[in-house]
Amino acid sequence: EAAVTQSPRNKVAVTGGKVTLSCNQTNNHNNMYWYRQDTGHGLRLIHYSYGAGSTEKGDIPDGYKASRPSQENFSLILELATPSQTSVYFCASGARTGRNNQAPLFGEGTRLSVL
Amino acid sequence: KTQVEQSPQSLVVRQGENCVLQCNYSVTPDNHLRWFKQDTGKGLVSLTVLVDQKDKTSNGRYSATLDKDAKHSTLHITATLLDDTATYICVVGDRGSALGRLHFGAGTQLIVIP
Repeated sequence: EAAVTQSPRNKVAVTGGKVTLSCNQTNNHNNMYWYRQDTGHGLRLIHYSYGAGSTEKGDIPDGYKASRPSQENFSLILELATPSQTSVYFCASGARTGRNNQAPLFGEGTRLSVL
Repeated sequence: KTQVEQSPQSLVVRQGENCVLQCNYSVTPDNHLRWFKQDTGKGLVSLTVLVDQKDKTSNGRYSATLDKDAKHSTLHITATLLDDTATYICVVGDRGSALGRLHFGAGTQLIVIP
């Protein structure tokens, strides 16, 4: 069954600390995405990847890095976490063609609190 | 500037009633529009996708319309169930290829009460 698995599901970090959010997909999708979801806003794209070894900046990349070591795994790294990065983070995967009838698949989210 | 606006922000209906959710957007080009359902604490699950200039889709009790001239979409939920309680998110894709970007609305929170 197609799946996107995020870990951890919940994380409390201290300001200035390093945080790594992990995402694994078993869909054999080339594309993977990291979004954050904040109250009153739509999902906003942080980083994305077209395949292993590639990472691209999204709309709000400042303060975040990404790593795609393999087709299945895509990580989001906060080198120096700040309270403004408190949010819910979603990973998604999608097929390369991105045709209209192929919906991206989302993980269940990681709730991050930076104190 | 917000390119996808959803209304209402929240909605409470009684089980069995029908409801209509609205989505207005300014995204250009507007290749396709998708409605997602997000249960509390969960990820987004696709309900339907609309592609044509004037399009209609149906998926069980969910039906949707799209008018690209008006840049407007509606999601109708018929005979609501308690399990319909969720946030419904409208997403506009600006291209059909994987290079395209998805533009997300903030969602409509639907609460179905007994």
